[in-house]
Amino acid sequence: NAGVTQTPKFRVLKTGQSMTLLCAQDMNHEYMYWYRQDPGMGLRLIHYSVGEGTTAKGEVPDGYNVSRLKKQNFLLGLESAAPSQTSVYFCASRVGGTNTGELFFGEGSRLTVL
Amino acid sequence: GDSVTQMEGPVTLSEEAFLTINCTYTATGYPSLFWYVQYPGEGLQLLLKATKADDKGSNKGFEATYRKETTSFHLEKGSVQVSDSAVYFCALSKAAGNKLTFGGGTRVLVKP
Repeated sequence: NAGVTQTPKFRVLKTGQSMTLLCAQDMNHEYMYWYRQDPGMGLRLIHYSVGEGTTAKGEVPDGYNVSRLKKQNFLLGLESAAPSQTSVYFCASRVGGTNTGELFFGEGSRLTVL
Repeated sequence: GDSVTQMEGPVTLSEEAFLTINCTYTATGYPSLFWYVQYPGEGLQLLLKATKADDKGSNKGFEATYRKETTSFHLEKGSVQVSDSAVYFCALSKAAGNKLTFGGGTRVLVKP
């Protein structure tokens, strides 16, 4: 019963370093999402994917890139980390078709950029 | 664009008190409405939902009614427990869309 798994769970970076967050889901879901959660701002969508090989921008995509080479994996990359990217990142997935609104979330990845 | 507004927290209550968290939305068309809950150290999970006007969603003693005339979806629970301490998020989605729009979240702390 893994569901949605995010790695790593914690990471500290220096400004300018790069890193990749990995999201893996074992529910055969078509859609996958990356959100960031900041105090008082709720969850904001960074990028999402509606299927293998496809990606789309959300509301706050700048400074991030994503890839969905395999259906079960959705990678979020930071090419040159900035302190403004200090946040908790959540991956989520859902079945395809009509949007019922039910997303399945991972436990989050806390990133600190110094 | 679509948006969701929630009352700011934190909300601090004693056990067995009545809880209300206000949520209003702005959206074109007929969105579906949701409440998600985030327990400490965990990801979000769906608490309840309503897909059309006047629908009532309920789960774990929580209820919310989709009020189109006031564009609201307030969350209520008659008697809270310490285990209800969490952050609650109101959200909306469109059936034909790909995304979920979240409110800012309301932290609830229930004291014994």
